[in-house]
Amino acid sequence: ETGVTQSPTHLIKTRGQQVTLRCSSQSGHNTVSWYQQALGQGPQFIFQYYREEENGRGNFPPRFSGLQFPNYSSELNVNALELDDSALYLCASSPGDGPDQETQYFGPGTRLLVL
Amino acid sequence: AQRVTQPEKLLSVFKGAPVELKCNYSYSGSPELFWYVQYSRQRLQLLLRHISRESIKGFTADLNKGETSFHLKKPFAQEEDSAMYYCALATNAGKSTFGDGTTLTVKP
Repeated sequence: ETGVTQSPTHLIKTRGQQVTLRCSSQSGHNTVSWYQQALGQGPQFIFQYYREEENGRGNFPPRFSGLQFPNYSSELNVNALELDDSALYLCASSPGDGPDQETQYFGPGTRLLVL
Repeated sequence: AQRVTQPEKLLSVFKGAPVELKCNYSYSGSPELFWYVQYSRQRLQLLLRHISRESIKGFTADLNKGETSFHLKKPFAQEEDSAMYYCALATNAGKSTFGDGTTLTVKP
């Protein structure tokens, strides 16, 4: 069984640029959630995708968008980067169905620095 | 709006002492509650969930709907329990909320 993977591990961008972060879900999982984690804080929910449809969204502006593909891998896109977007971005997959549907399995994260 | 509060940023106990990490939540519906743990240089991972009512690594957590709490307890802390602990709430609307975490240090 393959765990959740994310790429890249680190990224440096400048203000105003756009970024795409990628996540490969754990085998058999149809749900993926994305989180932003600033230093010293807990993960903040960005959005969740279930079977390629957005299933829930946190308090993030529209410039944060996502995609989930038929193989359940996922992308997080952030447009018009701001300095405050500097954070660790976590992806988590979950089974989505069955008794364990809400349990999340996290990737190692992508650390984004916006200069 | 849903919210999770972990009032202690840092908690330090001696090995063999009891430990309790506090978690309070606010949510108008029926939440599903979790404790996640992050050991040094490892990724965030599930410790336990209230629905399974099991003990993992000696930890237990009871959902108290009256007090809207889900405190994590262990009667005898071990050094390997030192980690960051996050309480999290999930709803059937596909939204999860995490607390800001408690760093537990177990001293020898």
